[in-house]
This record gives sequence, structure tokens and C-alpha cells, in this order.
Amino acid sequence: DILMTQSPSSLSASVGDRVTITCRASQIIDRYLNWYQHKPGEAPRLLIYAASSLQSGVPPRFSGGGSGTDFTLTISSLQPEDFATYYCQQSYSTPRWTFGQGTKVEIK
Amino acid sequence: EVHLVESGGGLVLPGGSLRLSCVASGFTFSNYWMHWVRQAPGKGLEWVGRSTNYADFVKGRFTISRDNAKNTLYLQMKSLSAEDTAVYYCARVGVAGEGAFDVWGHGTMVTVSS
Repeated sequence: DILMTQSPSSLSASVGDRVTITCRASQIIDRYLNWYQHKPGEAPRLLIYAASSLQSGVPPRFSGGGSGTDFTLTISSLQPEDFATYYCQQSYSTPRWTFGQGTKVEIK
Repeated sequence: EVHLVESGGGLVLPGGSLRLSCVASGFTFSNYWMHWVRQAPGKGLEWVGRSTNYADFVKGRFTISRDNAKNTLYLQMKSLSAEDTAVYYCARVGVAGEGAFDVWGHGTMVTVSS
């Protein structure tokens, strides 16, 4: 299986900060990389698909980049509702999807 | 509005069985691939399976099926152990998302304990 490694595992940031989370795949996955936001007790939410496409209804402060093995999720100006855990997921090795271990974004 | 609603979770003894259901509404269920994903307490999201494809940890213990007439996805689980304790989510693969899960349910909790 393709191993997805996120960094950092957690971070503390303030409202208004620019935050970047990275995700590295153990092999080339082209642009088959998706990002999710997950809050406790809620359903996970798709933010970015195909590495950089913004899912409908997601605020434009979220953006994604990268291709091949290295990817980023950037929140341009952190808002109070953005404190959550973020996961990357590869959909290259259909249908054996794998997730990163998650990055918890906490309030500083 | 598009919805997925899981049910069937609960407390089960080690070695026991359980069947989870996921009822879809607001879209043509038969047109979409559907998956199961789980999250153990304090852990991250973990892909479980789709159709006849499963994660390695399943080891022949789980079976995924669907009834398109009832708009329902199922996860039959047997030989459960404490390591299977988790919230189980069903998720839809979007047609435009290159394999991304664009709709998720809120999950159903499975606790395996004596």
C-alpha cells in the first residue's frame, strides 16, 4: 500500500495565521491527492480534490498544491472554525485508498 | 439534499458479529461507488473497503454489499476484536473528484468489549 506521511502531526496557531500542512506519498501518485477536515463528532469534510481543486462550498482561504509525491494544504488566514484535524488521502491506487495520519490544528 | 446515515453500531463481545447499514438519500445511489472508513478512538481515518476490495487488516472477516433498490450499503463484520472498536463511516466517491470522498455520514460507533 502507498504510505502517506503528514507533517507536522500537530501545530498551534492563532486566528489570522497562515498555516501550511505537508503530505508526502511513498510513491508517485500524480495528482490523486485529496484533503479533508474533521472535527470531533462530525462527518469528515472534503476540502480539496485532485491536489488543488477546491470542493464546492469550501472557502477560498483553503488551497492545495503539489504533484508526484509532495503536496501541501494551505490555510491563508486561519479562522476560529478551522481548528480541526486535517487528513490527506491518496486515490491513485484504486481502490486501495490510504490516509495520512492527520494533522491537528490547535489554538495557540 | 444529499445524506448518508449509518446505523447498526453498538457493543459486541470479542469474536462476535455485527452488520452496519448506510442509507443514502438525495442522489442516485446506484451510480456511485461507496466505501467504508473507520476511526478508532484517538486514531486517524482508516480505509476499510469498497465492494470486494478490503484493507489488509480485514483478513476475510468483513463483507461489503449493497442493495441499490433500498439505497443501502452494508458492512457485515465477524470475528471482531478490540482492535475493531471504532466509529465506522460510509462515504461516497464523487464523480468529479478523482476518487475523493465528497459525502460522508456521521458514523456509527462499534465497541468490541467483554
